[in-house]
Order: sequence, then C-alpha cells, then structure tokens
Amino acid sequence: RKEVEQDPGPFNVPEGATVAFNCTYSNSASQSFFWYRQDCRKEPKLLMSVYSSGNEDGRFTAQLNRASQYISLLIRDSKLSDSATYLCVARTGNQGGKLIFGQGTELSVKP
Amino acid sequence: DGGITQSPKYLFRKEGQNVTLSCEQNLNHDAMYWYRQDPGQGLRLIYYSQIVNDFQKGDIAEGYSVSREKKESFPLTVTSAQKNPTAFYLCASSKERTQYFGPGTRLTVL
Repeated sequence: RKEVEQDPGPFNVPEGATVAFNCTYSNSASQSFFWYRQDCRKEPKLLMSVYSSGNEDGRFTAQLNRASQYISLLIRDSKLSDSATYLCVARTGNQGGKLIFGQGTELSVKP
Repeated sequence: DGGITQSPKYLFRKEGQNVTLSCEQNLNHDAMYWYRQDPGQGLRLIYYSQIVNDFQKGDIAEGYSVSREKKESFPLTVTSAQKNPTAFYLCASSKERTQYFGPGTRLTVL
C-alpha cells in the first residue's frame, strides 16, 4: 500500500464547476500536510498547507481528518487556469521529516 | 532574485556515462533534496542534506551520489550503475516546514 494515495483522475470538469480531490495517508505519525500544484513538465509549486481546523484560500479549501487519515482539496468556481496535476503531500516528524508525495490527480477544466 | 536554479534543463546521456546535475539556491536554506519523477508517478526521494558536509540516502539512492560542500549547492551525480536513469529530476530546498522546488532537469539516456 502506498503511503499517500490519491484519486488518479483525470477529472474533466466544465468551467465554474466545483471539484473535490481526496487523499489518504497510511502513516499515523504524519504531522504536516500540503497540496502542491504541478503544471505539465514543470516543477511542483506549493498551493497551500493543510491545517487541522481546515483552511481556505480564495476558491480553495483544504480539510484534514486525522482520525480517518484523510485530506481533501475543494476547488470552487473552477477556471481554465486551474488545469494541472494536484499532489497531496504528507510529512513525518518535524521540520527535518521527509515529504511523501501522492502520485497526483490530474484536473482538466474545459470551456 | 532569490530562488533555486537547476542546470541543464535538458540532458542527454549515453549508456555507461556518469552525469552531474547542478542545483544552486540563494535562499539561505539549510536543507536540500533531490527527487526523481517518472511519468504518472509521484516524486521519489533520492538524497537529502540537512546541513553542509552531511547527507542521507532517500528511498531510491542506488546508482546516485551527492555532495554538499557549500550551503548553496547540492549537485547530484547519476552514475552508470543507475539502471533506469531517464526521468525528470527535481531539486528542492527548505528552511522550516515547506519545500520549494527548482525548475528541474529532464535526463534522457540514449
């Protein structure tokens, strides 16, 4: 079983749709969580950290459920520019801990 | 501009050759990392370094070597012992919780 698992996608949605990505992690010692965005043939870029209380950044909302070891990312009013691969990431330990990446979920937003 | 640079962007290598990928950062970050990414897969950790003159193996270190003689630099050598080196190589650095990535080097073995 992979340490971080995501829906592989691809998700094909129309502009303006709401889309949700799910992610599960297997290591209960994981302490920090992140969503990264990766455009085709580019490097991953941090989209947002995920906090226990849930957090929102504009159209993006991240949720964490430690009991279920589950992370989610919700994108509202999706734009064409949201098309990318979204990577779920877990870190074990404190700042020296390794990042474990999911395989990514591809999103394609169509006009 | 502060950031992480990787060179070259594209690299072609013949089988049996060693190649070195460059990674430089001017963010004053202590920790640096090397990952490889294969199509449709997540990033896998090759080596990481928390401090100058010290580094640790990641999950897939076989066939790779690194050095960390300066805080700013963390070069990766892909040796001929790496059986399947064609991949996208990403360097990252971090100071606290978050890792930031360089633009990557796409290595192709001919």
